[in-house]
Amino acid sequence: GENVEQHPSTLSVQEGDSAVIKCTYSDSASNYFPWYKQELGKRPQLIIDIRSNVGEKKDQRIAVTLNKTAKHFSLHITETQPEDSAVYFCAASPSGGSYIPTFGRGTSLIVHP
Amino acid sequence: EAGVTQFPSHSVIEKGQTVTLRCDPISGHDNLYWYRRVMGKEIKFLLHFVKESKQDESGMPNNRFLAERTGGTYSTLKVQPAELEDSGVYFCASSQTAGAGGYEQYFGPGTRLTVT
Repeated sequence: GENVEQHPSTLSVQEGDSAVIKCTYSDSASNYFPWYKQELGKRPQLIIDIRSNVGEKKDQRIAVTLNKTAKHFSLHITETQPEDSAVYFCAASPSGGSYIPTFGRGTSLIVHP
Repeated sequence: EAGVTQFPSHSVIEKGQTVTLRCDPISGHDNLYWYRRVMGKEIKFLLHFVKESKQDESGMPNNRFLAERTGGTYSTLKVQPAELEDSGVYFCASSQTAGAGGYEQYFGPGTRLTVT
């Protein structure tokens, strides 16, 4: 089955800095890679996703890159703000079977004002 | 539009007791998923319903866990009898579609289960 590794487990940055969270996956058949953000006490919410036919996708201050050959994908947050503080989960979904995503362990991002 | 709701938000039970968690998906979403997150670990898949049918239950840990979705609307997840290792946050999610190419899942707020 799929295995997703996510690093770092904790990331502390100063407001205005950039933050990068990296994930690797094992199943070359995975073709959909969503990122979820879970603020304290709230539900996980999709913030950005990327499909395997695309190498990069941006949405304002967040971007995701995908390297299919190396089987890794990353979340980039620029100009971080205190409200970006949350736990971020990456996931990889296969192109067949039941299409169930496999999640990483999460990264706790802390943005200091 | 109301999001995915879960009840209760917290549950503290003793080992050996029974607990039933409920999930109400977004109206019209045929796909309903159950996940569990043990502290500090990944969100782990338990089960997937399509309407009232179990599409994939490969993540269910053992036969102490029973999920149902009668009528294809809300779903329940019963743990009987509960063990200490069942503690964690149980998430429910729903989606309108499922399949190759990816799709967004909408998560509920989770039920924090503590077994003492």
